[in-house]
Amino acid sequence: SQQGEEDPQALSIQEGENATMNCSYKTSINNLQWYRQNSGRGLVHLILIRSNEREKHSGRLRVTLDTSKKSSSLLITASRAADTASYFCATGLFYNQGGKLIFGQGTELSVKP
Amino acid sequence: DGGITQSPKYLFRKEGQNVTLSCEQNLNHDAMYWYRQDPGQGLRLIYYSQIVNDFQKGDIAEGYSVSREKKESFPLTVTSAQKNPTAFYLCASSRPALAYGYTFGSGTRLTVV
Repeated sequence: SQQGEEDPQALSIQEGENATMNCSYKTSINNLQWYRQNSGRGLVHLILIRSNEREKHSGRLRVTLDTSKKSSSLLITASRAADTASYFCATGLFYNQGGKLIFGQGTELSVKP
Repeated sequence: DGGITQSPKYLFRKEGQNVTLSCEQNLNHDAMYWYRQDPGQGLRLIYYSQIVNDFQKGDIAEGYSVSREKKESFPLTVTSAQKNPTAFYLCASSRPALAYGYTFGSGTRLTVV
């Protein structure tokens, strides 16, 4: 079951611009996480935001979470060509739901130099 | 350095053949997971294990089997019952608490020939 839906599916920007990706989900969650995947590689964990948090920062990343709207956004500021990758949101379920992560379909980001 | 090792990187399977994908971690993580990724798609959960000698089916377990005899190892067997096994397979591990993200291996690309 794909809980997360990401928008847009693909995003193309120029280096230096900001990139915003959105994620919506359906059920109650314990946390929401964002991952990055370079082509043909494994996923790398970027940031985790708990259900009782509204905003979190890590370097050039800013994540927001609105549990009332069941949505999250990932902002990458001052993008670089090296940020080109696919970005996935993943919702962390509670232990009585298996404590597992359910991934969205991903947003493919292309940053042009 | 600690991490997850998946092998082989590429695997070719003939029709009707069982194949086993290896996943080993030295992070001392209790939980381990197997995901399948199809081109341009998100990740779908196959099996997961939160403790040694115990594992649960994910969303697409049919045609797959796993074992968890050691904390460090979580091999996945793709059986002949899996009719469309061509995909990218990703193994991950995590600490038991829900406050941590997953660490992923670099993946195995399985192709039916």
